[in-house]
Amino acid sequence: EDKVVQSPLSLVVHEGDTVTLNCSYEVTNFRSLLWYKQEKKAPTFLFMLTSSGIEKKSGRLSSILDKKELFSILNITATQTGDSAVYLCAHNNNDMRFGAGTRLTVKP
Amino acid sequence: NAGVMQNPRHLVRRRGQEARLRCSPMKGHSHVYWYRQLPEEGLKFMVYLQKENIIDESGMPKERFSAEFPKEGPSILRIQQVVRGDSAAYFCASSPNDRLNTGELFFGEGSRLTVL
Repeated sequence: EDKVVQSPLSLVVHEGDTVTLNCSYEVTNFRSLLWYKQEKKAPTFLFMLTSSGIEKKSGRLSSILDKKELFSILNITATQTGDSAVYLCAHNNNDMRFGAGTRLTVKP
Repeated sequence: NAGVMQNPRHLVRRRGQEARLRCSPMKGHSHVYWYRQLPEEGLKFMVYLQKENIIDESGMPKERFSAEFPKEGPSILRIQQVVRGDSAAYFCASSPNDRLNTGELFFGEGSRLTVL
């Protein structure tokens, strides 16, 4: 069965810090890896990563994939309290299985 | 363009009753996914449906749970004879046909089921 494992499970930082969230995967037929952000309710899409070594960037968030080592990282620079959320990683297959998520808390 | 609509937002049931959760996908989306989320946990895949077809139900318990996505009307997740362990948030997501290329699922706000 496909596996998506995220670490750490939770993280507490202060505003201005930079954080790195990890997602490792074991899947039979790799398609792409996805990152979502879940605040109070519905998860929202952040990135889709298909190729190794190509960084995707959106403002202070960036993500990269390593298909050889089977992992992806999500970086957030200059964190703000509004970045507090659960960050979810998923393998983009028919059934879209998510990892358990990393709960990020950014303190003022 | 309305987003994914789920109802009810909150549902309270006593043990042994039935729970029906509804999901109307975004306009033009023919793929629906149901996920369950327990407090402090990630999204657990339950079932993936296209119109009138169940594509993958490998995440759904074999007993008491069923899902459908009829030609007309919303997708329904049905839980019969609910138990306390069914208490959770149930999220529905929809996608257009090219979701495997875009990666984007559009989530509803969730239905929170509480079993007394």
